[in-house]
Amino acid sequence: EIVLTQSPDFQSVTPKEKVTITCRASQSIGSSLHWYQQKPDQSPKLLIRYASQSFSGVPSRFSGSGSGTDFTLTINSLEAEDAATYYCHQSSSFPWTFGQGTKVEIK
Amino acid sequence: EVQLLESGGGMVQPGGSLRLSCAASGFTFSSYAMSWVRQAPGKGLEWVSSISYSGGETYYADSVKGRFTISRDNSKNTLYLQMNSLRAEDTAVYYCAKSPISGWDFDHWGQGTLVTVSS
Repeated sequence: EIVLTQSPDFQSVTPKEKVTITCRASQSIGSSLHWYQQKPDQSPKLLIRYASQSFSGVPSRFSGSGSGTDFTLTINSLEAEDAATYYCHQSSSFPWTFGQGTKVEIK
Repeated sequence: EVQLLESGGGMVQPGGSLRLSCAASGFTFSSYAMSWVRQAPGKGLEWVSSISYSGGETYYADSVKGRFTISRDNSKNTLYLQMNSLRAEDTAVYYCAKSPISGWDFDHWGQGTLVTVSS
């Protein structure tokens, strides 16, 4: 099983600040890494697919990069509505796995 | 507009069974792989099971293999999860999720249905 480790677990950020969340895979997964946003009491929403492809309708301040074992989700100029937990997910090999999540709080 | 509506959750005793359903609309259901993902209270996301567009291929997490069965009825645009031998650790919100035509990410999610396993 491929283990995904996100860092940090929690981040408290001021609006307009830049946020960087990393996801490290226990073995190479190519670009089969996706990012989701989950707000309290809501279902997850896809932000970035295959490491760097923005999903339809996602604001341009969200971007993804990386390949192999190291991946990054970047939120440029954080907005209050971005307060959420962010998860990475790999679809390189079954069983699909998720990172433990990174909670982003707005100061 | 893609819509996924789960149903069938509830409270069940350990060892019991439940069948979850996910009614899909707004897309050609028979063309897309589907999955179930769960989230225990206050915890992160856990992939449970996936099924190919035709139903010919199914995949399971080790934690549910042999107890849960995923299936689909493309004539009814419905995804199912039959859950047997339920345990306390199966308590979670269960989401159905759709994959895009190419790939195994999850581009649309339902609102979830809560399953509580308790005596």
